[in-house]
Amino acid sequence: KQEVTQIPAALSVPEGENLVLNCSFTDSAIYNLQWFRQDPGKGLTSLLLIQSSQREQTSGRLNASLDKSSGRSTLYIAASQPGDSATYLCAVKADTDKLIFGTGTRLQVFP
Amino acid sequence: SQTIHQWPATLVQPVGSPLSLECTVEGTSNPNLYWYRQAAGRGLQLLFYSVGIGQISSEVPQNLSASRPQDRQFILSSKKLLLSDSGFYLCAWSVRRGGGYTFGSGTRLTVV
Repeated sequence: KQEVTQIPAALSVPEGENLVLNCSFTDSAIYNLQWFRQDPGKGLTSLLLIQSSQREQTSGRLNASLDKSSGRSTLYIAASQPGDSATYLCAVKADTDKLIFGTGTRLQVFP
Repeated sequence: SQTIHQWPATLVQPVGSPLSLECTVEGTSNPNLYWYRQAAGRGLQLLFYSVGIGQISSEVPQNLSASRPQDRQFILSSKKLLLSDSGFYLCAWSVRRGGGYTFGSGTRLTVV
C-alpha cells in the first residue's frame, strides 16, 4: 500500500530564506508526483507536476525534484515571501489512477 | 481551457437532512472524476472516483453516495446527514494515467 510522508510537518521562517520541503513515498511505481498549495479554507492549487520519467520541474521561485528510485521528492522555494504561507501537499498517482496525498507541511513566512 | 465548478461554497444542514453537492467540468471529455473530504485538521480522504458515466467506485463505507449522470457532472449525495459528515468536500478531475489533478474550490459542509 502506497504511503506518502512529508517532513517537516510545520515550518516557520523569516522572509527571504530559501526553503526545502520533503516528500517520501513507499512504492516507486508511480505515474507522476504533484505538489499543491492549500490556503486556509480554500481548495488545492496545483504548483508543479513531475512525470515519472522527469527529474525536476520549475515554475518561478519553485523547483521540484523527483528521485523515483529512492521514493523522494523535494520542493525548493527560493527567497520566501509572506504570501508563500500556506500548507503544501505532495501527492503521487499510481496505477490505480488515484492520487495518494502526503500529510502536508504547514509553512509560515513572517516579515 | 479546462475549468471545474463546485457548488455551493458553504452549507449548513441539520442532522438527518439530505445532501446534494454538484461538480461540473468544462473543456475536456471523459475525465476521471473524484470526491475527496478533508476533516478539520486532517488530511485528504478519497471518497469516490469515476472513470465514466454511471461508473462509481467507493473507497470507504459511509453515509454518502455518488453519481455521474453525465460525462462531466459528478454529484455527491446523502439521504440523511450525520454530524460526522461535516467537513470540506473537494471535487477533482484528471485525465488518464499521466495527467495531473485539478481541484475545485470546495464546499464547507457543517452538519448541526
